[in-house]
Amino acid sequence: DAGVIQSPRHEVTEMGQEVTLRCKPISGHNSLFWYRQTMMRGLELLIYFNNNVPIDDSGMPEDRFSAKMPNASFSTLKIQPSEPRDSAVYFCASNFGARGGEQFFGPGTRLTVL
Amino acid sequence: RKEVEQDPGPFNVPEGATVAFNCTYSNSASQSFFWYRQDCRKEPKLLMSVYSSGNEDGRFTAQLNRASQYISLLIRDSKLSDSATYLCVVNRNTGRRALTFGSGTRLQVQP
Repeated sequence: DAGVIQSPRHEVTEMGQEVTLRCKPISGHNSLFWYRQTMMRGLELLIYFNNNVPIDDSGMPEDRFSAKMPNASFSTLKIQPSEPRDSAVYFCASNFGARGGEQFFGPGTRLTVL
Repeated sequence: RKEVEQDPGPFNVPEGATVAFNCTYSNSASQSFFWYRQDCRKEPKLLMSVYSSGNEDGRFTAQLNRASQYISLLIRDSKLSDSATYLCVVNRNTGRRALTFGSGTRLQVQP
């Protein structure tokens, strides 16, 4: 039974480049969450979707970040242009129903912006 | 002030020891509480939910004190495999926000 799938697992890019992170939630889940984790700030919620609709994007750092969920099985997080301070591990998580229920995390994308 | 605060540790304990972590939360409207475990360079995974009356799962006991707004996790008979970071998580169950994660407490169990 596949869990949350994220790609790529590692991404190294240069400042100013566009970065696109991808996530496939667990089949049947209707909520999807994007998090960013750094040593300094811990795990931060960036945005979450319910039934493909963005519900709370107050954690998105700035206009350089955007997220989409075109259908129930796919979401993207895009950073354009990327900056060195965006270097972090980006996790996608999903669950069914309640906001506060157990969330199942993907393995994460480790992003390094040079 | 952070919404969820934890002592970052590390807690270095010998095998077989009992260790306890505390976590405080600032929003009295918080309704749901969890402990997640995160191994080095891995994703967080749910360890256990925390219920008002306290709950136990094997060697792990979680307690909630709403009056003082803190949550605790007790691990008995520590194993090497318990070495990880333990994240305290709260949810208000109101408004638009989802789960809020603490920064985690690192545990290192030594042989």
